[in-house]
Amino acid sequence: GENVEQHPSTLSVQEGDSAVIKCTYSDSASNYFPWYKQELGKRPQLIIDIRSNVGEKKDQRIAVTLNKTAKHFSLHITETQPEDSAVYFCAASRRGGGADGLTFGKGTHLIIQP
Amino acid sequence: EAGVVQSPRYKIIEKKQPVAFWCNPISGHNTLYWYLQNLGQGPELLIRYENEEAVDDSQLPKDRFSAERLKGVDSTLKIQPAELGDSAVYLCASSRGGATGELFFGEGSRLTVL
Repeated sequence: GENVEQHPSTLSVQEGDSAVIKCTYSDSASNYFPWYKQELGKRPQLIIDIRSNVGEKKDQRIAVTLNKTAKHFSLHITETQPEDSAVYFCAASRRGGGADGLTFGKGTHLIIQP
Repeated sequence: EAGVVQSPRYKIIEKKQPVAFWCNPISGHNTLYWYLQNLGQGPELLIRYENEEAVDDSQLPKDRFSAERLKGVDSTLKIQPAELGDSAVYLCASSRGGATGELFFGEGSRLTVL
């Protein structure tokens, strides 16, 4: 089955700086890569996703890049703000025909220092 | 639209006791997932339903865990008997299925086994 590795486990950045979280996956058949944000005691919520037919996707201050050859993808947050503090999870799956459930990484605790 | 609803939010039981969690997915979502989330870890898939059929239960510990999704809507996850190591958050999620991708999570049911 799929295996997703996520680094770092904890990331502390100054407010206004950029943050980058990296993930690798093992199943070359995976074609869908979402990122979820989970605030303390809350449910995970989708913030951005990318499919294997594109290399980059942006949504305001967040962006995701995908390298299919190397089987890794990254989340980039620019101009970080206090409300960005949370745990971020990457995930991978095969979607569409033969779709399966998401396999999550272990998470990155992002701390925004004032 | 209403989100995924789970109950109870919190449950404390003695080991060897049974426990059950209930999930009501978003209306129209055919795919339902139960995930286990240990403290500081990413969600791990227990079982996935397409309508009323369990299409992936390979990670469900069948000696003590069971699940059902009668009529393809609500679902119940049961543990009998509970062990100390079962203490975790049990997350339910739903999606439209197919290639649409996004999983919508409930708030989770936090289980403490004493």
